[in-house]
Amino acid sequence: DTAVSQTPKYLVTQMGNDKSIKCEQNLGHDTMYWYKQDSKKFLKIMFSYNNKELIINETVPNRFSPKSPDKAHLNLHINSLELGDSAVYFCASSRKPAGEKLFFGSGTQLSVL
Amino acid sequence: SQQGEEDPQALSIQEGENATMNCSYKTSINNLQWYRQNSGRGLVHLILIRSNEREKHSGRLRVTLDTSKKSSSLLITASRAADTASYFCATDANDYQLIWGAGTKLIIKP
Repeated sequence: DTAVSQTPKYLVTQMGNDKSIKCEQNLGHDTMYWYKQDSKKFLKIMFSYNNKELIINETVPNRFSPKSPDKAHLNLHINSLELGDSAVYFCASSRKPAGEKLFFGSGTQLSVL
Repeated sequence: SQQGEEDPQALSIQEGENATMNCSYKTSINNLQWYRQNSGRGLVHLILIRSNEREKHSGRLRVTLDTSKKSSSLLITASRAADTASYFCATDANDYQLIWGAGTKLIIKP
Protein backbone atom coordinates (compact mmCIF):
# COMPACT_ATOMS: atom_id res chain seq x y z
CA ASP A 1 0.00 0.00 0.00
CA THR A 2 1.40 3.36 -1.02
CA ALA A 3 1.46 5.72 1.96
CA VAL A 4 1.19 8.99 0.00
CA SER A 5 -0.08 8.70 -3.53
CA GLN A 6 -0.46 11.48 -6.03
CA THR A 7 -1.83 11.46 -9.54
CA PRO A 8 -1.01 11.95 -12.28
CA LYS A 9 2.73 11.19 -12.35
CA TYR A 10 3.19 13.16 -15.56
CA LEU A 11 1.16 16.10 -16.80
CA VAL A 12 1.86 17.75 -20.14
CA THR A 13 -0.38 20.63 -21.08
CA GLN A 14 -0.62 23.87 -23.02
CA MET A 15 -0.26 27.35 -21.59
CA GLY A 16 -3.53 28.76 -20.37
CA ASN A 17 -5.09 25.42 -19.47
CA ASP A 18 -6.42 24.49 -16.03
CA LYS A 19 -5.23 21.28 -14.37
CA SER A 20 -5.51 19.44 -11.08
CA ILE A 21 -3.19 17.15 -9.14
CA LYS A 22 -4.68 14.82 -6.56
CA CYS A 23 -3.06 13.55 -3.37
CA GLU A 24 -4.16 10.99 -0.83
CA GLN A 25 -2.46 9.62 2.27
CA ASN A 26 -3.45 6.49 4.16
CA LEU A 27 -1.22 7.10 7.18
CA GLY A 28 -3.84 8.79 9.34
CA HIS A 29 -1.73 11.96 9.42
CA ASP A 30 -3.18 15.33 10.38
CA THR A 31 -0.93 17.50 8.21
CA MET A 32 -0.47 17.59 4.45
CA TYR A 33 1.72 19.72 2.20
CA TRP A 34 2.35 20.75 -1.36
CA TYR A 35 5.94 21.38 -2.40
CA LYS A 36 7.38 22.60 -5.69
CA GLN A 37 10.81 21.38 -6.83
CA ASP A 38 12.42 23.36 -9.62
CA SER A 39 14.94 22.22 -12.19
CA LYS A 40 17.80 22.97 -9.77
CA LYS A 41 16.20 20.67 -7.19
CA PHE A 42 15.29 23.50 -4.79
CA LEU A 43 12.29 22.52 -2.68
CA LYS A 44 9.79 25.26 -1.89
CA ILE A 45 6.78 24.88 0.37
CA MET A 46 3.58 26.08 -1.25
CA PHE A 47 0.81 25.13 1.15
CA SER A 48 0.25 23.21 4.33
CA TYR A 49 -3.02 22.00 5.82
CA ASN A 50 -3.60 20.71 9.31
CA ASN A 51 -6.91 18.94 9.93
CA LYS A 52 -8.29 20.41 6.70
CA GLU A 53 -7.31 23.93 7.80
CA LEU A 54 -4.80 26.02 5.83
CA ILE A 55 -1.78 26.84 8.03
CA ILE A 56 0.89 27.78 5.50
CA ASN A 57 0.26 29.74 2.35
CA GLU A 58 3.58 30.87 0.93
CA THR A 59 3.87 33.49 -1.76
CA VAL A 60 2.16 31.51 -4.45
CA PRO A 61 0.11 33.02 -7.30
CA ASN A 62 -3.65 33.00 -6.83
CA ARG A 63 -3.82 30.68 -9.80
CA PHE A 64 -2.85 27.88 -7.41
CA SER A 65 -5.67 26.76 -5.16
CA PRO A 66 -5.42 23.86 -2.74
CA LYS A 67 -8.49 21.98 -1.56
CA SER A 68 -8.69 19.57 1.33
CA PRO A 69 -12.04 17.75 1.34
CA ASP A 70 -10.91 15.64 4.32
CA LYS A 71 -7.76 14.94 6.33
CA ALA A 72 -6.62 12.24 3.93
CA HIS A 73 -6.80 14.33 0.76
CA LEU A 74 -5.14 17.51 -0.45
CA ASN A 75 -5.65 18.41 -4.08
CA LEU A 76 -3.98 21.18 -6.04
CA HIS A 77 -5.79 23.04 -8.79
CA ILE A 78 -3.88 25.33 -11.11
CA ASN A 79 -5.61 27.86 -13.36
CA SER A 80 -4.23 29.52 -16.47
CA LEU A 81 -1.00 27.54 -16.53
CA GLU A 82 2.20 29.40 -17.43
CA LEU A 83 5.55 28.21 -18.73
CA GLY A 84 7.14 28.99 -15.35
CA ASP A 85 4.83 26.52 -13.63
CA SER A 86 6.79 23.66 -15.16
CA ALA A 87 8.33 21.77 -12.24
CA VAL A 88 7.87 18.67 -10.12
CA TYR A 89 5.14 19.01 -7.52
CA PHE A 90 5.28 16.85 -4.40
CA CYS A 91 2.59 16.09 -1.93
CA ALA A 92 3.69 15.13 1.58
CA SER A 93 2.16 14.38 4.96
CA SER A 94 3.24 14.26 8.59
CA ARG A 95 1.65 13.18 11.84
CA LYS A 96 1.45 16.78 13.06
CA PRO A 97 2.72 20.15 11.83
CA ALA A 98 5.93 20.43 13.81
CA GLY A 99 8.97 18.33 14.58
CA GLU A 100 7.89 15.30 12.61
CA LYS A 101 9.25 13.49 9.61
CA LEU A 102 7.53 13.96 6.29
CA PHE A 103 6.31 11.23 3.98
CA PHE A 104 6.43 12.24 0.33
CA GLY A 105 4.50 11.15 -2.71
CA SER A 106 6.42 10.20 -5.83
CA GLY A 107 5.83 13.56 -7.50
CA THR A 108 3.98 14.97 -10.49
CA GLN A 109 6.15 16.22 -13.32
CA LEU A 110 4.27 19.15 -14.85
CA SER A 111 5.38 20.38 -18.26
CA VAL A 112 3.69 23.46 -19.66
CA LEU A 113 4.23 23.94 -23.41
CA SER B 1 11.62 30.68 2.08
CA GLN B 2 15.35 30.80 2.77
CA GLN B 3 17.48 27.90 1.77
CA GLY B 4 20.01 26.19 3.99
CA GLU B 5 23.36 25.44 2.43
CA GLU B 6 24.75 22.04 1.67
CA ASP B 7 28.28 21.21 0.87
CA PRO B 8 29.47 19.85 -1.45
CA GLN B 9 26.92 20.34 -4.22
CA ALA B 10 28.10 17.12 -5.82
CA LEU B 11 30.23 14.23 -4.63
CA SER B 12 31.53 11.28 -6.61
CA ILE B 13 33.27 8.39 -4.82
CA GLN B 14 34.14 4.76 -5.36
CA GLU B 15 31.89 2.04 -4.03
CA GLY B 16 32.99 1.01 -0.56
CA GLU B 17 34.33 4.45 0.39
CA ASN B 18 32.70 6.71 2.95
CA ALA B 19 30.71 9.76 1.89
CA THR B 20 30.38 12.87 4.01
CA MET B 21 28.09 15.77 3.27
CA ASN B 22 27.50 18.89 5.31
CA CYS B 23 24.60 21.18 6.00
CA SER B 24 24.72 24.68 7.48
CA TYR B 25 21.74 26.68 8.63
CA LYS B 26 21.07 30.19 9.83
CA THR B 27 18.58 30.22 12.71
CA SER B 28 18.29 28.28 15.95
CA ILE B 29 16.45 25.00 15.51
CA ASN B 30 14.47 22.37 17.38
CA ASN B 31 15.54 19.56 15.09
CA LEU B 32 17.27 18.79 11.81
CA GLN B 33 16.32 16.09 9.35
CA TRP B 34 18.07 14.36 6.45
CA TYR B 35 16.26 13.01 3.41
CA ARG B 36 17.30 11.03 0.34
CA GLN B 37 15.87 11.50 -3.14
CA ASN B 38 16.51 8.94 -5.83
CA SER B 39 16.24 10.15 -9.40
CA GLY B 40 12.61 10.66 -10.41
CA ARG B 41 11.27 9.75 -6.98
CA GLY B 42 9.96 11.46 -3.88
CA LEU B 43 12.06 12.24 -0.84
CA VAL B 44 12.55 9.57 1.80
CA HIS B 45 13.22 10.43 5.42
CA LEU B 46 16.54 9.10 6.74
CA ILE B 47 17.10 10.48 10.20
CA LEU B 48 15.95 13.22 12.59
CA ILE B 49 18.29 14.69 15.18
CA ARG B 50 17.05 17.00 17.93
CA SER B 51 18.88 20.14 19.02
CA ASN B 52 19.92 18.54 22.33
CA GLU B 53 21.53 15.57 20.53
CA ARG B 54 25.05 15.60 19.14
CA GLU B 55 25.17 12.36 17.20
CA LYS B 56 22.76 9.78 15.89
CA HIS B 57 23.22 6.49 14.05
CA SER B 58 20.99 4.48 11.76
CA GLY B 59 22.59 1.49 10.06
CA ARG B 60 25.39 2.84 7.85
CA LEU B 61 24.33 6.43 8.48
CA ARG B 62 25.83 8.70 11.09
CA VAL B 63 24.56 12.22 11.65
CA THR B 64 26.23 14.82 13.80
CA LEU B 65 24.87 18.16 14.89
CA ASP B 66 26.86 21.16 16.13
CA THR B 67 24.42 23.84 17.21
CA SER B 68 27.22 26.26 18.12
CA LYS B 69 28.38 26.20 14.49
CA LYS B 70 24.85 25.77 13.12
CA SER B 71 25.94 22.79 11.08
CA SER B 72 25.28 19.10 10.61
CA SER B 73 27.02 16.33 8.74
CA LEU B 74 25.76 13.08 7.24
CA LEU B 75 28.24 10.25 6.93
CA ILE B 76 27.43 7.18 4.85
CA THR B 77 29.90 4.39 5.50
CA ALA B 78 30.83 1.60 3.08
CA SER B 79 28.90 3.21 0.22
CA ARG B 80 26.95 1.12 -2.27
CA ALA B 81 25.67 1.83 -5.77
CA ALA B 82 22.16 2.09 -4.33
CA ASP B 83 23.28 5.11 -2.26
CA THR B 84 23.48 7.15 -5.48
CA ALA B 85 20.92 9.88 -4.88
CA SER B 86 20.51 13.50 -3.80
CA TYR B 87 20.60 14.17 -0.07
CA PHE B 88 18.78 17.06 1.56
CA CYS B 89 18.82 18.53 5.03
CA ALA B 90 15.83 20.33 6.50
CA THR B 91 15.50 22.40 9.66
CA ASP B 92 12.38 23.56 11.41
CA ALA B 93 12.06 27.33 11.01
CA ASN B 94 8.93 27.59 13.12
CA ASP B 95 6.14 25.36 14.26
CA TYR B 96 4.84 24.72 10.79
CA GLN B 97 7.60 25.03 8.26
CA LEU B 98 10.85 23.31 7.30
CA ILE B 99 13.72 25.12 5.61
CA TRP B 100 15.44 22.94 3.03
CA GLY B 101 19.02 22.83 1.85
CA ALA B 102 19.85 22.81 -1.85
CA GLY B 103 20.96 19.19 -1.71
CA THR B 104 24.12 17.20 -2.34
CA LYS B 105 24.18 14.95 -5.37
CA LEU B 106 26.05 11.76 -4.48
CA ILE B 107 27.32 9.41 -7.18
CA ILE B 108 28.78 6.04 -6.23
CA LYS B 109 31.04 4.63 -8.93
CA PRO B 110 31.26 0.82 -9.24
